[in-house]
Amino acid sequence: QVTLKESGPALVKPTETLTLTCTFSGFSLTTTGMRVSWIRQRPGKALEWLARIDWDYDKFYSTSLRTRLTISTDTSKNQVVLTMTNMDPVDTATYYCARQRTKDGDAFDIWGQGTMVTVSS
Amino acid sequence: QSVLTQPPSVSGAPGQRVTISCTGSSSNIGALYDVHWYQQLPGTAPKLLIFGNSNRPSGVPDRFSDSKSGTSASLAITGLQAEDEADYYCQSYDSSLSGYVFGTGTKVTVL
Repeated sequence: QVTLKESGPALVKPTETLTLTCTFSGFSLTTTGMRVSWIRQRPGKALEWLARIDWDYDKFYSTSLRTRLTISTDTSKNQVVLTMTNMDPVDTATYYCARQRTKDGDAFDIWGQGTMVTVSS
Repeated sequence: QSVLTQPPSVSGAPGQRVTISCTGSSSNIGALYDVHWYQQLPGTAPKLLIFGNSNRPSGVPDRFSDSKSGTSASLAITGLQAEDEADYYCQSYDSSLSGYVFGTGTKVTVL
């Protein structure tokens, strides 16, 4: 059974750096064609893709947030970490991690439950 | 902001058929990138509904189907049921943005 679970602080202050961890099971990120992405959803708004890391450690970022994001993985722990710098109240959102497989057209086939992050002083 | 446009809401009576449009451009749907559809029930994470060329993950009923033409795609729900009341999102890849894009989302209401 494939599962993903996000963890991180529920509250961060403006200008701080957010660090989120996605812990997954049931698959290996080192398997060819495997990918993990981060996606967020502001309250009442649409989904927004943030970043992706691939089985070969290639990394891709949203062009609008590229300068603030870093994605990394610890394959020994089955974790993918996202850091976002200089947090602002507009970054208040639920953050999801999701698996992708190239053989399925890169669809986000399994999602974590999400973690709500509020940015406020 | 989303580059794929969906109607904010659609509604239908139980048993009816509803469709949700997803309008993109030549850099995403028109460029023949795959379009995927997700269902998000209230207070839950999105769930993959249809991927690639009209593929449904295990457990998704065949009441859900999709189509694509030019720079647009559509999701159809036939035999509408109360449990279908949710938000639905389309998603593709955009070559101009070099990233994944989602639709604006459509709320389906079962009357």
